Amino acid sequence: DARVTQTPRHKVTEMGQEVTMRCQPILGHNTVFWYRQTMMQGLELLAYFRNRAPLDDSGMPKDRFSAEMPDATLATLKIQPSEPRDSAVYFCASGDPGQGNTDTQYFGPGTRLTVL
Amino acid sequence: GQNIDQPTEMTATEGAIVQINCTYQTSGFNGLFWYQQHAGEAPTFLSYNVLDGLEEKGRFSSFLSRSKGYSYLLLKELQMKDSASYLCAVRDSQGSQGNLIFGKGTKLSVKP
Repeated sequence: DARVTQTPRHKVTEMGQEVTMRCQPILGHNTVFWYRQTMMQGLELLAYFRNRAPLDDSGMPKDRFSAEMPDATLATLKIQPSEPRDSAVYFCASGDPGQGNTDTQYFGPGTRLTVL
Repeated sequence: GQNIDQPTEMTATEGAIVQINCTYQTSGFNGLFWYQQHAGEAPTFLSYNVLDGLEEKGRFSSFLSRSKGYSYLLLKELQMKDSASYLCAVRDSQGSQGNLIFGKGTKLSVKP
C-alpha cells in the first residue's frame, strides 16, 4: 500500500529554533508539493517540485523557509528561525503527471508544528 | 486573482442527501478536484472533473459547469463517517504546472 510518509508527526519548539520536516513521496511519483494548513487560511501551497527541480516556491517566505529535494525519495522543508506564526500543520503531497491528465495529489499525514 | 468559494459549514441528517457547492474564479482551468479531510487527518482524493457534467462514484457524485465556474459535490445516503471537511480545488493551467488552488473547505456534520 504505497503512501506518502512524513516525519516528525508532531514538533514543539521554541521561537528562533530551526525546524526540519521530511517527506518521502510515493515511489515513482515525480511531483512533490509542500502545503501549510491553518484554520484561518486553509490549505496554502508553499513549494512545488517536479523531477526534483523547484518549479514554484512563491508561497514560501524566502527569508526563513527553504525547500529541497536531495534525492528522489526525500523532500525537506526547513524553517530557520521559526516564529509562533509558523504554527500549523505542514502537509507533503506527491503526484504523477503520467496518470493521464488527472495528476491526483496524494497527501502525507502531516507534521503538526507548534512554535512557542 | 484566484478565488474559490464554498460554504464554511453544513449540517445534514444520516441517510439524507447533501450538496456542497463550490464556485471558482481562476486565471486558467485544467481540472477541479474534491478532497475529503477528517479532523486531524490528511486530505484524501474523492473526485476529479475536467469536462462539464456529472461524475458518479458510488454514493458520491461531482458536477462541473466550466462556463459558470461552478461545481458541486453530492453525497447520498449520508453516514456518520461522512462527517468531515470537503475541499474544492482547482488546477490552474497557467503558472505552475499541476498546481492546485484550494478552497477553505466545507465542514459537514452528519447528525443521527
